[in-house]
Amino acid sequence: GAVVSQHPSRVICKSGTSVKIECRSLDFQATTMFWYRQFPKQSLMLMATSNEGSKATYEQGVEKDKFLINHASLTLSTLTVTSAHPEDSSFYICSAEAGGVVGTDTQYFGPGTRLTVL
Amino acid sequence: GENVEQHPSTLSVQEGDSAVIKCTYSDSASNYFPWYKQELGKRPQLIIDIRSNVGEKKDQRIAVTLNKTAKHFSLHITETQPEDSAVYFCAATGTNAGKSTFGDGTTLTVKP
Repeated sequence: GAVVSQHPSRVICKSGTSVKIECRSLDFQATTMFWYRQFPKQSLMLMATSNEGSKATYEQGVEKDKFLINHASLTLSTLTVTSAHPEDSSFYICSAEAGGVVGTDTQYFGPGTRLTVL
Repeated sequence: GENVEQHPSTLSVQEGDSAVIKCTYSDSASNYFPWYKQELGKRPQLIIDIRSNVGEKKDQRIAVTLNKTAKHFSLHITETQPEDSAVYFCAATGTNAGKSTFGDGTTLTVKP
């Protein structure tokens, strides 16, 4: 099946620093990737849709200048949390859609990145 | 936008019993409905999905039903086992850039 990796799996950083999280589709090409945030015992909250070669589409309430997304290739999307603060601490999960037609295919999730901001 | 409601939020069953989780959605344009299982600290894993042109789909002990008119779909797990214990999420996906809206999740506990 389709495999999605995420790196790092866990990161602890000081307040004010920036953190980059990578999401890779290992055995398929993904024109669309999604970034989610998940708080303990809560659902997946979509942050943004990442499209290869174009600007990401952010959900309402998500600061695009704080959560920078780059989708430079068909297998890699990155999320950079800039000037991180303790309230940004969360579980960040990416997913990639395998298939040519957006909205008709399964999303495969990465293993997630646990971000802790001190 | 799409709104997905999932019930119940917690479900406890005895091993061997059946479990049913229900979701309703609001956007009639949604056409793809996956179900994910997430174990603690791990990624959501697709367990079954259904598209809007099908009313029911079954895979061994797991089945999903879809009622487009009423805009609801359900997950059925039969002969539950302790390893079925996890959080289950439903989702509705439409043609709006392929975005999925997730339900709030159901924590299923199967008691041995």
